[in-house]
Amino acid sequence: AAGVIQSPRHLIKEKRETATLKCYPIPRHDTVYWYQQGPGQDPQFLISFYEKMQSDKGSIPDRFSAQQFSDYHSELNMSSLELGDSALYFCASSSRRAKNIQYFGAGTRLSVL
Amino acid sequence: GQQLNQSPQSMFIQEGEDVSMNCTSSSIFNTWLWYKQDPGEGPVLLIALYKAGELTSNGRLTAQFGITRKDSFLNISASIPSDVGIYFCAGQGISGSRLTFGEGTQLTVNP
Repeated sequence: AAGVIQSPRHLIKEKRETATLKCYPIPRHDTVYWYQQGPGQDPQFLISFYEKMQSDKGSIPDRFSAQQFSDYHSELNMSSLELGDSALYFCASSSRRAKNIQYFGAGTRLSVL
Repeated sequence: GQQLNQSPQSMFIQEGEDVSMNCTSSSIFNTWLWYKQDPGEGPVLLIALYKAGELTSNGRLTAQFGITRKDSFLNISASIPSDVGIYFCAGQGISGSRLTFGEGTQLTVNP
């Protein structure tokens, strides 16, 4: 079965640069979620979208923005990167017709040097 | 905000032993989920619980949704080396809303 696809898997950036992370949800899933996981920590919710509209917002810095496109894929844009932004970024998707269980992608490991 | 306390933080067991871990919350959740995460990978869903008191099994895994809706436990029976990894509980309020994760339990299984 198709899973959540994230790209790139690894990304290395310098401080103050920008980064764009992409997420392709499971087909026919209508909701996308973004989480950030620091080293040795649990995933922390950033933001979510349902049917291309922002549905919830967590502890996402103002330097970050995200959107969901007409084909339901989502992008997380990160600007003015800081060393503390180094983390694993996960996308998850769900479907209201399937009890909204969240299935996670393999993640993007962002390293800010 | 909501917080989940997961224990134990780590466990070192022998192959074949049973394992138990639990999560408690100060708030009520409508859904409890258990995920397993391997290093550098995304969390993989193990079990989902939807009703207070619900007891659900998935192979050697058994999980329960506490009656108060503020806690859940996961049991793994007859552990094997591939059970190694980090186990996270996660609570969800309204369906479709964000997940709140516990701190994780690092499981090590010695052959």
